[in-house]
Amino acid sequence: AQSVAQPEDQVNVAEGNPLTVKCTYSVSGNPYLFWYVQYPNRGLQFLLKYITGDNLVKGSYGFEAEFNKSQTSFHLKKPSALVSDSALYFCAVRDIRTNAGKSTFGDGTTLTVKP
Amino acid sequence: EAQVTQNPRYLITVTGKKLTVTCSQNMNHEYMSWYRQDPGLGLRQIYYSMNVEVTDKGDVPEGYKVSRKEKRNFPLILESPSPNQTSLYFCASMVAASSYEQYFGPGTRLTVT
Repeated sequence: AQSVAQPEDQVNVAEGNPLTVKCTYSVSGNPYLFWYVQYPNRGLQFLLKYITGDNLVKGSYGFEAEFNKSQTSFHLKKPSALVSDSALYFCAVRDIRTNAGKSTFGDGTTLTVKP
Repeated sequence: EAQVTQNPRYLITVTGKKLTVTCSQNMNHEYMSWYRQDPGLGLRQIYYSMNVEVTDKGDVPEGYKVSRKEKRNFPLILESPSPNQTSLYFCASMVAASSYEQYFGPGTRLTVT
């Protein structure tokens, strides 16, 4: 079985400071990892993904994430947070080798960036 | 404009009254999926479809049905809704065996009384 854990329900940072939203995963095969963002009263939007290759992946709005196989983590980062980054963030995993159709999401982390 | 649409966006119904939430995508994606979002539980996958006439259960399929007769449509059917199906529902689509990033619809907020 595959799973995703987002250990923090809420992350608070000041505008201009770096931010990190944590994600750890468990799959039996090779993971495909994703981050999505949900703004209030909206659907989810894709931010970035790791499939293979460079462990540091860059995505939309200046976000990046680092894949760490030994720690089974895929933390989302941004060097300088904006108030407009405040939203709900979801980490997700797929195990393409065993079941490409199944997608597992974490419980979500609410990011609040204060001016 | 490339998009996933859902209808209705809001629905209040009573226990036991059959309902269908429609989902349509205009991107010619093979894969479509339904999720429910509940506070503190994230998104949980209900059903998914890898292509026309191919559907499979996700993590929480009980009480739901789906069909995939055409590539663009993937309706979610609640034959006999119950209050524990009150939730926010999202449909998503993606290009399978390629990018794997999902495109989500705007959501359907369902209340069952």
